[in-house]
Amino acid sequence: QKEVEQNSGPLSVPEGAIASLNCTYSDRGSQSFFWYRQYSGKSPELIMSIYSNGDKEDGRFTAQLNKASQYVSLLIRDSQPSDSATYLCAVMDSNYQLIWGAGTKLIIKP
Amino acid sequence: DAMVIQNPRYQVTQFGKPVTLSCSQTLNHNVMYWYQQKSSQAPKLLFHYYDKDFNNEADTPDNFQSRRPNTSFCFLDIRSPGLGDAAMYLCATSRGAVVAGGDHQYFGPGTRLLVL
Repeated sequence: QKEVEQNSGPLSVPEGAIASLNCTYSDRGSQSFFWYRQYSGKSPELIMSIYSNGDKEDGRFTAQLNKASQYVSLLIRDSQPSDSATYLCAVMDSNYQLIWGAGTKLIIKP
Repeated sequence: DAMVIQNPRYQVTQFGKPVTLSCSQTLNHNVMYWYQQKSSQAPKLLFHYYDKDFNNEADTPDNFQSRRPNTSFCFLDIRSPGLGDAAMYLCATSRGAVVAGGDHQYFGPGTRLLVL
């Protein structure tokens, strides 16, 4: 059974600090990795995708991928209250199926 | 703007009364997905269409059916809703192209189903 694991949280971070969200996956052949943000009662929206080892930056967001250790992380710099949401990690496995984590609830405290 | 639309946004039905949820897209994507998501859980894939090819997940109950009459529309039919079927139902689309870097999914706003 292919799995994507995330800490459910909640992760509480002060406003302006760096929020660090982590995700591990079981299928070593996975190719593509996505971070979705989901506000309460809303649908997921893509915020970052990463395919190669290393870091990928987009504004305040940085995705980090380490295929050898099978983990992917998302850093949010200068956290804002509007960043409070559940962050879902999704991994496209070696069969091109998207495997979802259960999400980490992030709370940014003013 | 190109988008994924779901109707209705909220649906209340009675135990055992059939219900149909609809999804349409203007993205001209090949693949359409239906997910069920319950509170604090990951989205659970029910089935997807690659063009007209239907792909059912092994653990999707027979109570759930789907139709895709054309590229733009896809329907989810719940034949006899039970209390355990109350959830958010999410429709998503993707290009379906196997390209370097993968192919991410675009979600509609979801339909929240309540079963009384």
